[in-house]
Amino acid sequence: RKEVEQDPGPFNVPEGATVAFNCTYSNSASQSFFWYRQDCRKEPKLLMSVYSSGNEDGRFTAQLNRASQYISLLIRDSKLSDSATYLCVAFEGGGADGLTFGKGTHLIIQP
Amino acid sequence: NAGVTQTPKFRVLKTGQSMTLLCAQDMNHEYMYWYRQDPGMGLRLIHYSVGEGTTAKGEVPDGYNVSRLKKQNFLLGLESAAPSQTSVYFCASSATGRQPQHFGDGTRLSIL
Repeated sequence: RKEVEQDPGPFNVPEGATVAFNCTYSNSASQSFFWYRQDCRKEPKLLMSVYSSGNEDGRFTAQLNRASQYISLLIRDSKLSDSATYLCVAFEGGGADGLTFGKGTHLIIQP
Repeated sequence: NAGVTQTPKFRVLKTGQSMTLLCAQDMNHEYMYWYRQDPGMGLRLIHYSVGEGTTAKGEVPDGYNVSRLKKQNFLLGLESAAPSQTSVYFCASSATGRQPQHFGDGTRLSIL
C-alpha cells in the first residue's frame, strides 16, 4: 500500500525562526511531489511543487531526496500567518488515483 | 474567478436520509475528485472522474455514488446516510492526474 508519512507535530516555533520538516514516501517510482497548506477548517491549497533540483519560493524552500525517499520543506523567517497544517503529496503514476496525501504536519508560530 | 465551488457548505441529516453534494469547476479540468477528511485520517479519496461520463472508485467508495453528466459538475450522493459518514467533504479538480489539484472550500456534513 502506498504511503506518505509525516510527523503530525505540532511544531511550536517562535516567530522569526527557521523551521523544517520532512515527509517520507514508500513508492520509489513516485514521479512528482507537492506541498499543500491547510488552515484550520479550510480547504488544502497548493503551496509549491517540489522539483528534483530543489526549488525556492520566497521564504519557502522545498527539496527532494530520491535516494532516501523524502521531501522537505524549509520555512525561513517564520510569520504568525505561517501557522497551518502542511500536507505532503506524492504522485505515483497511473491514473487519477495516483496522488497520495500525507496526513499533515501541524505548525504553530508563536509570537 | 470561482475555481471550484461546493454546495451546500453545511448540512445536518438524520440517519437514513439521502442527499446530493454538488461540485462545480470553471477551469475546464478533465479530472475531478471527491474526498472526505476526518480527524487523524487525512484526506481519503471516495470517487473520481477522468472526464465527462466517467467515474471510478477511490479508497473509500462504500455508501456513496457519483455522477459526471457535465464536464464542469461532479455530484456526490449519499443514498442512506449513516453516522459514520459525518465528515468534511472536499471536491477537487485538476487538468491531468499528475497536476496539482484545486480544492473547493468543503461541505461539513453531520449525520445524527
